[in-house]
Amino acid sequence: NAGVTQTPKFRVLKTGQSMTLLCAQDMNHEYMYWYRQDPGMGLRLIHYSVGEGTTAKGEVPDGYNVSRLKKQNFLLGLESAAPSQTSVYFCASSGTSGDTDTQYFGPGTRLTVL
Amino acid sequence: RKEVEQDPGPFNVPEGATVAFNCTYSNSASQSFFWYRQDCRKEPKLLMSVYSSGNEDGRFTAQLNRASQYISLLIRDSKLSDSATYLCVVTAQGAGSYQLTFGKGTKLSVIP
Repeated sequence: NAGVTQTPKFRVLKTGQSMTLLCAQDMNHEYMYWYRQDPGMGLRLIHYSVGEGTTAKGEVPDGYNVSRLKKQNFLLGLESAAPSQTSVYFCASSGTSGDTDTQYFGPGTRLTVL
Repeated sequence: RKEVEQDPGPFNVPEGATVAFNCTYSNSASQSFFWYRQDCRKEPKLLMSVYSSGNEDGRFTAQLNRASQYISLLIRDSKLSDSATYLCVVTAQGAGSYQLTFGKGTKLSVIP
């Protein structure tokens, strides 16, 4: 039982490049989330999903797209990377409703956009 | 007013000391409250949920004051391994119950 895994762990992009971050969970959780964490800003929700085939915007969705084609996977895409997207990205999942169930986090992806 | 506010610290305390962290939140409709712990360059992990009646888990005690919209975390007999950043987390304002809002965290360093 690996919990929540994220790939890649590190990535350096040039402005304008695209990439996809992969999140996978093996806990059969319905809900999945993508956050970014910046110094002095705390964790901010980018997008989330309440089930396979569904996605919704969080607090800071601009510049990102997501897909949840399979229940266990949640993909975060950057179509045209910008330096402002330099951050640590965390994926999380929870069983049913986040206010009663723990959100389990992946180890994070450190992204630098030059 | 920010949704979740915490003293950023750092709190530098000697081993064995008792330390308390406070957190205020702006959404009076928030229903769920948590303390998460985040080690340096690691992911956040749930430390404990916070219940209205207060709850304790070993050396850790959490309290909730809904009237004042205030949450606290007390750590007794601090250990070196308690050094981390502690995140106050509440249900997000205006969102479905599955969305959480994180405070920026309070950094604790326990010194030998």
